[in-house]
Amino acid sequence: GEDVEQSLFLSVREGDSSVINCTYTDSSSTYLYWYKQEPGAGLQLLTYIFSNMDMKQDQRLTVLLNKKDKHLSLRIADTQTGDSAIYFCAEKYSGAGSYQLTFGKGTKLSVIP
Amino acid sequence: KAGVTQTPRYLIKTRGQQVTLSCSPISGHRSVSWYQQTPGQGLQFLFEYFSETQRNKGNFPGRFSGRQFSNSRSEMNVSTLELGDSALYLCASSLGATGGTDTQYFGPGTRLTVL
Repeated sequence: GEDVEQSLFLSVREGDSSVINCTYTDSSSTYLYWYKQEPGAGLQLLTYIFSNMDMKQDQRLTVLLNKKDKHLSLRIADTQTGDSAIYFCAEKYSGAGSYQLTFGKGTKLSVIP
Repeated sequence: KAGVTQTPRYLIKTRGQQVTLSCSPISGHRSVSWYQQTPGQGLQFLFEYFSETQRNKGNFPGRFSGRQFSNSRSEMNVSTLELGDSALYLCASSLGATGGTDTQYFGPGTRLTVL
C-alpha cells in the first residue's frame, strides 16, 4: 500500500534555509502536496507539485521532486519564527474514482531566534 | 469565499456514548473527506463523500460512519465511543475531480476527547 515517510524534527536558526524531506512509495502518485499545521489549527495547503515536474518555486518555497528515488523535499528560504509548525507531505491516491491523500507523520520545524 | 467550517470545535464525551460532527465545505465544493489525527497514528483517512455517495473508505471499524447532504454539508458519526477515539477530526473539501489539480482544503478540526 501507499506509505509516506518523513523525519520527525528539524531545528534551524532564523534566517537560514530549512529543508524538509519526504519519501513516498506509490509510483503512480500524480500529485504531491505540502501542508502546514500550526498548534491548534487545521492543515494549510502550502504548495503542490505534479509528478512530471522536477521543481516548483513559490516565493520562499521550493519543492524538488526526484521521481526515480520517490523523494520529495520542501525548502523554505530565509526561515522565520512564524514558520515554526508541523509540515506534512502527502501523496494523492491514484485509485480510480476517489480522492484520498496519504500523509506522512509530519516534520516539526523549530526556528531558533 | 468562506473556508471549510467544522462544528463543534471541541467535544468531551464518555465511553459508550455517540457523537456527531459536522462539516460545511467551501461553496461549490462537492467532495468532503474526513481524517482522524492522533499523535500515534498521525493523519488517517476515514472516508470521502461526493454528491451524497460514499466514494471511498479507509480502514476504520463500522462504528465510524458518515453522510452527505444535498447541499454538500457532511456529518460524521462515531457510535459506542472508546478512549482511543480521542483525536482531532479534520474535514477537507474539494471540487471532487479525481484527476487534475483538484486540491483539498481543510477545516480547523473538531477536537474530541473521550473520558
